[in-house]
Parts: sequence; structure tokens; C-alpha cells
Amino acid sequence: DAGVTQSPTHLIKTRGQQVTLRCSPKSGHDTVSWYQQALGQGPQFIFQYYEEEERQRGNFPDRFSGHQFPNYSSELNVNALLLGDSALYLCASSSPILGGRETQYFGPGTRLLVL
Amino acid sequence: GNSVTQMEGPVTLSEEAFLTINCTYTATGYPSLFWYVQYPGEGLQLLLKATKADDKGSNKGFEATYRKETTSFHLEKGSVQVSDSAVYFCASGGNTPLVFGKGTRLSVIA
Repeated sequence: DAGVTQSPTHLIKTRGQQVTLRCSPKSGHDTVSWYQQALGQGPQFIFQYYEEEERQRGNFPDRFSGHQFPNYSSELNVNALLLGDSALYLCASSSPILGGRETQYFGPGTRLLVL
Repeated sequence: GNSVTQMEGPVTLSEEAFLTINCTYTATGYPSLFWYVQYPGEGLQLLLKATKADDKGSNKGFEATYRKETTSFHLEKGSVQVSDSAVYFCASGGNTPLVFGKGTRLSVIA
């Protein structure tokens, strides 16, 4: 049973560029949440998707956008990158049936460095 | 809004020592509470959870009890091992997204 997978594992971009991160949820999970984890900090919630719609959003600017596909996989897009966007981006999946949406399982993350 | 406060680290213990990492929360209503562990270079792994007052979550020798009266969810382990060295995060959630503490780094030395 595959867990949550994310790609790529590492990414280096320059200021002003755009980036797309990808996530495949754990088998049987339909809900995907994205988090940003700055160095030495706890993860901060960006947004959550299920049924292909953004359901909840944290305190992040509109430069952060996302998408969920019919197979439940998801993308996180960040436009006009800033140095402060450098972080570990974590994807988490959950299911209302398997443990409830609140019990989230995390992927290994994508480490983004903005130069 | 909801918040989670956990003891600052780093915490350094000798192998077989007793571990306590304190965690308190503020929330509207009664959230579910979680402990996650993050090993170097990896994502977060769910360690244990409790969904209502007086519930005890347990896994791999770790335990935490949901204390409504003290709004706490302290993590304990009776005898730590070198392999327990990691960063531990307390989190609260439910109908709202997970809110994490800042993490506590644990180092266990042989």
C-alpha cells in the first residue's frame, strides 16, 4: 500500500519564477492538504482540497494556488517566488471513511530553495 | 484561533531515560490532538492521536492523554532509545485544519 508521494524531492528556483509541486495521496484517501514548513518551525496550513475544490485555506497570499484531479492527486502552484518561499512543502492526505479527514498522513515533502 | 504550545528543545537524554514533552492547546470546542514525529530529512509521521477528553493515544511505547481540564496532551515514554532521536510535533485539529506547535528536538545518547 503506497503512502503519500510527492515530486520532486528538491527544487531550486530564482526569485520571480513559478513552481509546481505534485502530490499523490495514500490509497483510498480523497482529501489532500498542503503545508509549508519553514526551517526550524512547525508546518503551516496552506489549503485543503476534496471533490476537486478548495475547501479551506490558510493565511497565504493568492500567489499560492492549487488543483485537485479526478484521481485525487493534487498540485500546488506558487507564482512570483520570493526568497521567503524557501521551505519544505508537505502534502498530507486523509479520508472521511478511513480515519476521518482530521487524521492526516504526510508525504516526504518537496524542499524548495529560492535564490 | 486555535494554537498549540509545546516545550522548547532541544532535549537531550541518555538511553533508557524517561521522556516527557509538554504540549498545551487553545481551541474553540474540543479538537482532536495528535503527536507527529519527523526524522532528519523526512516528512511527518503520525505517532498517536486522541479524539476526546480522557482518551489515551499510544504507539511504539509512546503515550499521551487528552486532558480537557488542563488543555494538555503531554507526550511520554518510559525508556527512550537512540532511534527515538527526532523532532516531535504536537498538533490540534478537527473540523479545522491541523495547527502545529513549533516542534521539540529530542536527542538520545547511548
